[in-house]
Parts: sequence; structure tokens; C-alpha cells
Amino acid sequence: AQSVTQPDIHITVSEGASLELRCNYSYGATPYLFWYVQSPGQGLQLLLKYFSGDTLVQGIKGFEAEFKRSQSSFNLRKPSVHWSDAAEYFCAVGAGWGDDKIIFGKGTRLHILP
Amino acid sequence: GAVVSQHPSWVICKSGTSVKIECRSLDFQATTMFWYRQFPKQSLMLMATSNEGSKATYEQGVEKDKFLINHASLTLSTLTVTSAHPEDSSFYICSARLGGRNTEAFFGQGTRLTVV
Repeated sequence: AQSVTQPDIHITVSEGASLELRCNYSYGATPYLFWYVQSPGQGLQLLLKYFSGDTLVQGIKGFEAEFKRSQSSFNLRKPSVHWSDAAEYFCAVGAGWGDDKIIFGKGTRLHILP
Repeated sequence: GAVVSQHPSWVICKSGTSVKIECRSLDFQATTMFWYRQFPKQSLMLMATSNEGSKATYEQGVEKDKFLINHASLTLSTLTVTSAHPEDSSFYICSARLGGRNTEAFFGQGTRLTVV
């Protein structure tokens, strides 16, 4: 069964600083990986996804993530954070087929210092 | 992208009553939908996979008689919380994936259930 680990529960960075959120996954086959963002009391918004091909994936809002098979990781990065990036970030893994479930990590809450 | 609509956005009910939450795929057909539960400041926990025209598949530890799922059409899945209790208060989110390979999941906006 697939699983996702986000080792950091909280991350605090200063506005304008760079950001990296860690994600490690466990899956028996080629994983399909996602990063979602959730603002308080809101649903989920997809930031980016990796299915195949280039291991560096560009997403919305200036985010990118890199798939590293050797490390079973899919870390999310942003070169310069904005105060509006404060939210909960979830890494998720699923199978390739549309009828397969997606499993989420426990999430990392990002705090931005002015 | 595809749109998943969830209704209601929030509901308050009395202990012992049942509550139905609807999840609709508005511009695509979803043979499979997923129901998640999210406790405050926690992650999304998959409750069940809803399959059109067949019984739902529940995750371990989820009471199927408590959380009734019906997927009667390719665009609608419902979750009914039966005989609700305060511990059922939570944020419930549905999701649907487009069919085929390499598809992302689209999420509803969630339903905040409060049982008093």
C-alpha cells in the first residue's frame, strides 16, 4: 500500500526567503505524485503533479517540485515566498489509473514572517 | 480544470439524526469518487472509494453502516452520516478523478459537519 511522509509539521520562513517542503513516499510501482495546498476552512487546490518525464515539475504560483526516485522524495520548492503562501501543504501519492485512490501525507503548515 | 461541487458547505445537526452530503462532478463523468475526512489541523483520511453502480469500498476502521455511500449516477455520489454523534463532527471532502491514466483528482470545497 502506498504511503506518504511529510516530516515537518510546521515550517516558518521569512517573506522573500526560499522554501523547501519535504515529502517522502512509499509505493510499489511508479508513483504518481501531487502537491496540494489548503487555506483555512477551504478545499484543496492542486499546485503541481508528476506522472512521468522530466523530474523537475513546474506548478502554479511559482512552485516547483523535483522527483527523485533514488530517494523516494518529491520535495516542493519556491525561490521566494509571499505572505499569501501561508497555508497547509499536502503531498499525495496515487496510482496511475483514474479509479485508484490518492493517499495524503499529514501536511506541513507554512507560516510566513513579515 | 474539471469541477467537483459539494453540498452543503456546512451543516449543523442534532445528535441522533442523519445527514446527507452530496458530491457532484459538474462537467465530467466520474465512475469513481472518493470520500475523505479531515479533523482539525490534520490530514485528509480516506474513508471510502465510491464506485458507480456498485458497493463502496471502505478503508479499514471506517464503519460502513455509519457512513453510507451511494453512487447512483456517473455524476453524483452521496455520503450519509447516520445517527450522527458529536465525534462525527468533522470536515468531509469528496474527490473525483477523470477516467484513464495520468489523471489528477479534483476536490469539492468540503462540508463542515457539526453535531450538537
